[in-house]
Amino acid sequence: DGGITQSPKYLFRKEGQNVTLSCEQNLNHDAMYWYRQDPGQGLRLIYYSQIVNDFQKGDIAEGYSVSREKKESFPLTVTSAQKNPTAFYLCASRADGQGNQPQHFGDGTRLSIL
Amino acid sequence: AQSVTQLGSHVSVSEGALVLLRCNYSSSVPPYLFWYVQYPNQGLQLLLKYTTGATLVKGINGFEAEFKKSETSFHLTKPSAHMSDAAEYFCAVSVNSGNTPLVFGKGTRLSVIA
Repeated sequence: DGGITQSPKYLFRKEGQNVTLSCEQNLNHDAMYWYRQDPGQGLRLIYYSQIVNDFQKGDIAEGYSVSREKKESFPLTVTSAQKNPTAFYLCASRADGQGNQPQHFGDGTRLSIL
Repeated sequence: AQSVTQLGSHVSVSEGALVLLRCNYSSSVPPYLFWYVQYPNQGLQLLLKYTTGATLVKGINGFEAEFKKSETSFHLTKPSAHMSDAAEYFCAVSVNSGNTPLVFGKGTRLSVIA
């Protein structure tokens, strides 16, 4: 079955540590997205990529970095500069150039501070 | 720019009662509209979408929504609530401009009382 795989499901970060969240899709979608979810805040866009080797900042990009070297993969690094990283992180993808197409979501990664 | 307002961060209904979750949007061009459901510690799952054509859209799990251009609304309804409907619901808007991200509302938590 086609879908989006996020790993790990739970992740813990120590003070001053960078951690990387994995997102892989086999839907052949060009566009991929990263969201952060906090209770009562809805979904906030961190970064998105519309094509390989290109990405744009979202609303809350500070303290995060991404790469898009392959169509299938869009990893998110939470750097030590992100002072409040505890949240639920969601990855999504979408078919190429189709505003009428929905975004498909993975099952998320929950990041906590040790 | 598009925006979405979901009225009521928390809605509580009795089992068997009507479910009504409100969504109003703002868009300068004809929008595409989506409803998603999220169960605890999971990603978002598409319930239904409106693109063009019939304004009453039927989705999964017995939900439906009606696009009302004059009211800029896309409210989600279900005639009879079931305990399994308890979840968070998100309304989102898009326009036909490629892979720009969906704009999400802040979500409405639905509780179903036995």
